[in-house]
Amino acid sequence: GNSVTQMEGPVTLSEEAFLTINCTYTATGYPSLFWYVQYPGEGLQLLLKATKADDKGSNKGFEATYRKETTSFHLEKGSVQVSDSAVYFCALSHRDDKIIFGKGTRLHILP
Amino acid sequence: GAVVSQHPSWVICKSGTSVKIECRSLDFQATTMFWYRQFPKQSLMLMATSNEGSKATYEQGVEKDKFLINHASLTLSTLTVTSAHPEDSSFYICSASGVMGIQGGGEKLFFGSGTQLSVL
Repeated sequence: GNSVTQMEGPVTLSEEAFLTINCTYTATGYPSLFWYVQYPGEGLQLLLKATKADDKGSNKGFEATYRKETTSFHLEKGSVQVSDSAVYFCALSHRDDKIIFGKGTRLHILP
Repeated sequence: GAVVSQHPSWVICKSGTSVKIECRSLDFQATTMFWYRQFPKQSLMLMATSNEGSKATYEQGVEKDKFLINHASLTLSTLTVTSAHPEDSSFYICSASGVMGIQGGGEKLFFGSGTQLSVL
């Protein structure tokens, strides 16, 4: 079946450090891939997405590339800020709007 | 962006009681709402899909008589955990899919902030 595996947290980094949160998936066909972010006390928000192989999603300095050959969608940011502290969820979806989430990775950025 | 309001944000109840969680779309009509549950250190798991005015579709393994879902209007869906037990303690989160003409899956979904349920 379809599934998403992402690195376990928490991940703690200093401000301006480079961030990578790994995500791999198992799916039939060609799903869309997403990263959602949940800031403290708020709902999940779509951070970025990619709908086909080699697509790169980007937003707020974050990037992720849809790698079909490695079934991966790793999230990266070159220089993190304290305001990036949140829980990040990797997810996939086919066109029925049902989303399959990873377990989430809590990110702490220290000033 | 669209806002989905979910209440309460946390609730503590005694075993055997029922708890109702509300999910409202504040500035759009939600034709479809999804309810998820997340246990500690686990993924968000889809429980059910509800379409306005019709019965909810439950995922395999989810007891429909225990988790009652009502989607009576285009802006409100409720999840009632009936006769709650400690094993029902979890984080419940809703999402709403609206009539916005946005293509693709996932991007037109807006999430509530979740409800932490603790059953004593």
